[in-house]
Amino acid sequence: SQTIHQWPATLVQPVGSPLSLECTVEGTSNPNLYWYRQAAGRGLQLLFYSVGIGQISSEVPQNLSASRPQDRQFILSSKKLLLSDSGFYLCAWSRGYSTDTQYFGPGTRLTVL
Amino acid sequence: AQTVTQSQPEMSVQEAETVTLSCTYDTSENNYYLFWYKQPPSRQMILVIRQEAYKQQNATENRFSVNFQKAAKSFSLKISDSQLGDTAMYFCAFRSAGNMLTFGGGTRLMVKP
Repeated sequence: SQTIHQWPATLVQPVGSPLSLECTVEGTSNPNLYWYRQAAGRGLQLLFYSVGIGQISSEVPQNLSASRPQDRQFILSSKKLLLSDSGFYLCAWSRGYSTDTQYFGPGTRLTVL
Repeated sequence: AQTVTQSQPEMSVQEAETVTLSCTYDTSENNYYLFWYKQPPSRQMILVIRQEAYKQQNATENRFSVNFQKAAKSFSLKISDSQLGDTAMYFCAFRSAGNMLTFGGGTRLMVKP
C-alpha cells in the first residue's frame, strides 16, 4: 500500500530564516505530487504541483519554491520566511492521470515569529 | 475557473442522527470528479467519498452517501448514524482534467453526545 510522509510535523522559525519541508511517498512510482497551504480556519490553497522529476508548476506567486530531486520526494523551500508564511502545509500525491484522487500526508504546522 | 462553495460554516448533529452538508460548484466542463474530505483535529485530510461526474448513480461508502445533482451543480454529503468520531471539518473539492483540486471553504461539523 502507499504511504506519504511529511517532516517535520511542527516547526517554529524566525522571520528571515530559511525553510525546508520534505515530503516522500512510498509504494508507488511516478506519482503526481502537490503542496498545499491551509491558513487557520480556512480551506486549502494549491501552491505547487509536479508531474515528474524536475518538473514544477507554481499556482500562485509567493515567497516559496518547490523542487523534486527524486521521483518520490517533494521539497518546499524558502530563502527568507515572512510572517505570512505561517500556516499548515500539506503534501499530497495522486497517480499519473489527471482526475485521480489525491491522498494527503499528515501535514507540517509552520509558525513564523 | 472553477469555484466550490460550502454555505454552512458550522453544523451540529446529535449522535446517531443524520446530517447533510451542502456543496455547490461552478464549472463549464462536463467531465470532472467531486470529493468530500474530512479533516479531524489531527488536521490530516482524509478522503471520505468521491463521485465521477459521468456516473448518474450516487456514491456510497458505509454511512456516507452523496446526492449528486449535475444539472444543479450540487454535491451534498449525507452522514447517517452520526458518531462522535465524525466531528471534523469537511471539505468539498472539485477536480477536472487540468490537475487542479479546488476546495470549498469547509464546514465544521460537531457531533454531540
